Amino acid sequence: DAKTTQPNSMESNEEEPVHLPCNHSTISGTDYIHWYRQLPSQGPEYVIHGLTSNVNNRMASLAIAEDRKSSTLILHRATLRDAAVYYCISSEKLVFGKGTKLTVNP
Amino acid sequence: GAGVSQSPSNKVTEKGKDVELRCDPISGHTALYWYRQSLGQGLEFLIYFQGNSAPDKSGLPSDRFSAERTGGSVSTLTIQRTQQEDSAVYLCASSLIRDQPQHFGDGTRLSIL
Repeated sequence: DAKTTQPNSMESNEEEPVHLPCNHSTISGTDYIHWYRQLPSQGPEYVIHGLTSNVNNRMASLAIAEDRKSSTLILHRATLRDAAVYYCISSEKLVFGKGTKLTVNP
Repeated sequence: GAGVSQSPSNKVTEKGKDVELRCDPISGHTALYWYRQSLGQGLEFLIYFQGNSAPDKSGLPSDRFSAERTGGSVSTLTIQRTQQEDSAVYLCASSLIRDQPQHFGDGTRLSIL
């Protein structure tokens, strides 16, 4: 069961980097790691995904551990608009936990 | 381009009634997903459609819940004999194929009185 584990909440200051961790120790070798975020009263929004290599896009970076048992979503400079609940999931099991609620302080 | 569209955005109904929730996925997306989100909780997977394959119904909580996807496009989630615990936001998402990013609609907020 490719369940993911994330901290319930994290806090950051505006314009500082944020590292959001996710453990997925039972993920299969062909299972992608996806990250989504959800603002209040909206559906989740795709952030980034990857399989083995680190990935970068305009929103964030994804660092995947060599053993694939964990990954870290990196927001290089947090803004107030980044305050949301962040979910990491495996594409195979489609199990969203409660995610990490990120608070960004001005 | 158009994103995933869900209707209605809000639905209030009495306990025991049947409800139908609709999802219009992004054109060309072969994968379609339904989730449920109760207040303050994460998303609960309900059902997944991939092309013409048999759907993965493993997340449906009871036989009162069913879903269909006609012509590989629009999907309808039906809840029969609604109960108060069915109150939640029902989210639909679609993707090109399963491993690709999911695009979510804004959900249907269902309230059972």
